[in-house]
Amino acid sequence: GAVVSQHPSRVICKSGTSVKIECRSLDFQATTMFWYRQFPKQSLMLMATSNEGSKATYEQGVEKDKFLINHASLTLSTLTVTSAHPEDSSFYICSARGTSYEQYFGPGTRLTVT
Amino acid sequence: GDSVTQMEGPVTLSEEAFLTINCTYTATGYPSLFWYVQYPGEGLQLLLKATKADDKGSNKGFEATYRKETTSFHLEKGSVQVSDSAVYFCALSAHTSGSRLTFGEGTQLTVNP
Repeated sequence: GAVVSQHPSRVICKSGTSVKIECRSLDFQATTMFWYRQFPKQSLMLMATSNEGSKATYEQGVEKDKFLINHASLTLSTLTVTSAHPEDSSFYICSARGTSYEQYFGPGTRLTVT
Repeated sequence: GDSVTQMEGPVTLSEEAFLTINCTYTATGYPSLFWYVQYPGEGLQLLLKATKADDKGSNKGFEATYRKETTSFHLEKGSVQVSDSAVYFCALSAHTSGSRLTFGEGTQLTVNP
């Protein structure tokens, strides 16, 4: 149980375009989802926390207009990187939390902006 | 604020060697403590956890004990395998902060046959 999926696993896009990444909780209802960014050989940096049906809470320094987060249902959250640039290339990981405090992580999405 | 400090890596061991990865933390209250493992190109998997002082988390031969007096949660395994090669993250979750996770820097472990 407690499986979280992400789609796509890898994406390459051109500079200036937008990319949407989906995070789904497959076998539980996720009241809260978290989005992280991970640079090579570094730890995870929390970008934002989203609760179903409400606006996401962004961490300091994360541009909310650039990284649009939508948590429209209890099983789906999306991260849209708008007007992507090469510096947005990174590994994006989501996690989901249900009724317990434990977070379950997705497999990650590798974004490359050319 | 909350923070987690892990021993610097990378760590390279021979198969069947003993493993210790140190982790210390700073937090208000009584956080829950976790070890996550990340294999190349993948997300994080929960390895083990402990929710209160003196609890021992264990899984797949790995162990860690929640030591409140030394604010530590060191990861140990008696005999590592090549398949244990991965990055290991220590993390804490303070219930006063909405259960958000604070991660350590990660420790790269390579086990050679």
